[in-house]
This record gives sequence, structure tokens and C-alpha cells, in this order.
Amino acid sequence: AQTVTQSQPEMSVQEAETVTLSCTYDTSESDYYLFWYKQPPSRQMILVIRQEAYKQQNATENRFSVNFQKAAKSFSLKISDSQLGDAAMYFCAYTDTGANSKLTFGKGITLSVRP
Amino acid sequence: EPEVTQTPSHQVTQMGQEVILRCVPISNHLYFYWYRQILGQKVEFLVSFYNNEISEKSEIFDDQFSVERPDGSNFTLKIRSTKLEDSAMYFCASIPDIMNTEAFFGQGTRLTVV
Repeated sequence: AQTVTQSQPEMSVQEAETVTLSCTYDTSESDYYLFWYKQPPSRQMILVIRQEAYKQQNATENRFSVNFQKAAKSFSLKISDSQLGDAAMYFCAYTDTGANSKLTFGKGITLSVRP
Repeated sequence: EPEVTQTPSHQVTQMGQEVILRCVPISNHLYFYWYRQILGQKVEFLVSFYNNEISEKSEIFDDQFSVERPDGSNFTLKIRSTKLEDSAMYFCASIPDIMNTEAFFGQGTRLTVV
């Protein structure tokens, strides 16, 4: 079974600085997708960024980028120029390319942004 | 922009009562999911649904849970006899097709069992 591990329960970053959130996963599949979801206090799940395992290039979405290390099964999220609105819970998630594509989530990390 | 809609946003029910959580997925999506998040814990998969039948379910999804898509738009999760430990946030999600795995989540229903 696939597992997703987020070992840091909390992190804090100064506004305008850069922060990196860590995630590791375990799978025997060669093709799969990885995601970072943001969950603000409203508890809505918002997709931040997606990485396809067969693509070597790291995904980037504006201030958000990932460092995808397939061999190490590592998938970290970098947030540049942190803003107060980035404060939220962040979940790393995995899905394979099978028929069901259910998401397996990590435990999440609470990110606080200091003004 | 199309979105997944869940109702109600918050439901309080007495232990032992039946509840139905409702979801309207995005209209051209084919795969539907329910996830659960107990307060302060991770999001857990409950069940996936495709072509009017369950395609996969987790260990959490026992006989007290059921899902259906009665009219081609609504997607419901029924809990027959609620327990205190069913208190959680329940999320509905859908994806367009198997080639596009970006899941679109509803805003969630907070279920409180008292």
C-alpha cells in the first residue's frame, strides 16, 4: 500500500521569506501523481500544485514550486515570498494512475506566517 | 468556474440517527469520491464511485455507510446509525476522467454527532 509521510507537524516563516515543506512517500508504482493541497481555516481543500512522476521537470505555479526526487521518493514544496494568506494546513498527497485514482494523504503540516 | 457543491455545511445529529450528506459534483466529471477528516487528523479515503457503482472502499466504509447517485447529478453519502466517532469533516470530490487526476473538492460538511 502507498504511504505518504509528513514528519514536520508545524513550521513558521517570516513574511516575504522562503519556506520548504517536506514530504516523502512510498510506492512500488513507476507512474503516479503527487499533489500539495492547502487547507485554510475554512477547511476547504485547495490544490496548490501537481507533479506527474514521469516528468523530470519540477512543477511550478507562481510562488509555489516543488523539488521532486523520484529515486529518493521525496516531494517537497517551496513557497517563495511568503504571504500572510499562505498560513494554512498543507497536505501532501499521492495517487497512482489506476482506475480509481484515490488520494492518499499525509498527516499535514501547519504553516504559520509571521508579519 | 464549475465547482463541487456540498450540503449542508454543518449538520448536528444525535447518536443513532441516520444522516445523508449531499454533493453535486461537476457535471461532466465521471469519478466521485468521499473522504473524511476527523478534526486535527489527516484526510482519509472512504469510497470511490464510477458508472453508478462503488469501485473501491476503505476499511472505514463499513455496513453503516452507503453511497448512491440517484438522479445523475446528486451524489450522497448515508450513515445509517451515527456514532460519536463519526464526527468529522466529510469531503466530496470528483475528477473528470481517468487521464486527469486533479480532484476537485467540495467545501465539506462538518458532521457533529452528539
